[in-house]
Amino acid sequence: DVQMTQSPSNLAASPGESVSINCKASKSISKYLAWYQQKPGKANKLLIYSGSTLQSGTPSRFSGSGSGTDFTLTIRNLEPEDFGLYYCQQHNEYPPTFGAGTKLELK
Amino acid sequence: QVQLRESGPGLVQPSETLSLTCTVSGFSLTSYGVNWVRQPPGKGLEWMGTIWNDGSTDYNSALKSRLSISRDTSKSQVFLKINSLQTEDTAIYLCARNENDVMDAWGQGASVTVSS
Repeated sequence: DVQMTQSPSNLAASPGESVSINCKASKSISKYLAWYQQKPGKANKLLIYSGSTLQSGTPSRFSGSGSGTDFTLTIRNLEPEDFGLYYCQQHNEYPPTFGAGTKLELK
Repeated sequence: QVQLRESGPGLVQPSETLSLTCTVSGFSLTSYGVNWVRQPPGKGLEWMGTIWNDGSTDYNSALKSRLSISRDTSKSQVFLKINSLQTEDTAIYLCARNENDVMDAWGQGASVTVSS
């Protein structure tokens, strides 16, 4: 199975700032990485797939980059609703595997 | 509007079988696959299995011997059964629609506690 290593585990930032979350795969997954947002009491939300393709409805302040084994989720000009948990998931091969998550907290 | 909703018992005894239902709307189970994913308290997401639009299934190898996923297309429902429950199976159980191996819509999850 492809192991996904996500960093950092925790991140504190203020509204208006930019942050980056990294995800590293144990082997090449081409471009096939997805990013999800998780917030209490809400359904998980797909933000980005295939490394950099924004899901319909994802604000343009979110962007994804990378290929092979190294990927980054960048959120520019943080809004209050962006704070929560973020997970990466490789969708190159079965079984799908997730990173351990990054908690984005308000500084 | 695509929606998924998990339902099932909140408390199950150790060694018993857990049965959960994912009821979907806004799409057909004959067009999309559905994944089951679980999240133990304070931990990350673990893919459990997928039932594909043709009814075939794939399971997490670590759970395969205890896990069964099935569906009733006429009722737009997907079922998860996991037997021989242990306390480590305590988790939030989530279903999610599969679109090209990406989970593009999720339910809010069903909390399950395994305890005597």
